[in-house]
Amino acid sequence: DIQMTQSPSSLSASIGDRVTITCRASQTISNYLNWFHLKPGKAPKPLMYAASRLHSGVPSRFSGSESGTDFTLTISSLQPEDFGTYYCQQSYISPFTFGPGTKVHIK
Amino acid sequence: EVQLVESGGALIQPGGSLRLSCAASGFTFSDYWMHWVRHTPGKGLMWVSRINSDGSSTNYADSVQGRFSVSRDNVKKTVYLQMNTLRVEDTAVYYCVRGCTTTNCSPFDYWGQGALVTVSS
Repeated sequence: DIQMTQSPSSLSASIGDRVTITCRASQTISNYLNWFHLKPGKAPKPLMYAASRLHSGVPSRFSGSESGTDFTLTISSLQPEDFGTYYCQQSYISPFTFGPGTKVHIK
Repeated sequence: EVQLVESGGALIQPGGSLRLSCAASGFTFSDYWMHWVRHTPGKGLMWVSRINSDGSSTNYADSVQGRFSVSRDNVKKTVYLQMNTLRVEDTAVYYCVRGCTTTNCSPFDYWGQGALVTVSS
């Protein structure tokens, strides 16, 4: 199975800060990388697919990039509603494994 | 408007069985692969299962292989997850999630509200 790792496991940032989360796959997944945002008590919100393509309605402050098996989610200017946990997931091959999550706290 | 509505969540004893249902609306259900994903606060998100558009192909996570079974009824626009020999570690919120079609893929783009399954004696 493909293993997904994320760093950092948690971070604390101020409103307006630029935030970067990294996800690494244990083997090649091409660009079959998705990002999700989870808040307590709510269903996961899909942010991005194919490493850098925003789902409909996702603000443009979110962006994604890839370099080999390393993927990055960037929030250009952190907003209050961005707190929660961010997960990456590979959809290259079954089982479609998720990363362990990165918890974002607002200072 | 795309909607996915899960039902069937319950408190169940270890070793028991449960069937979750997910009713879909707002899109051509029979075109789409469908997934089940679960979430536990301590373990995060875990992909559980996938079924193709006509129900002829399925995939499972290793930890549920042989115990869970996914199926669908394209007339009723419903996907099911039959869960047998349930374990305490299967306790989670289970989400029904839309996948791709053969010609269009923005995967995991719509999620249901979730169904809580609690396995406890």
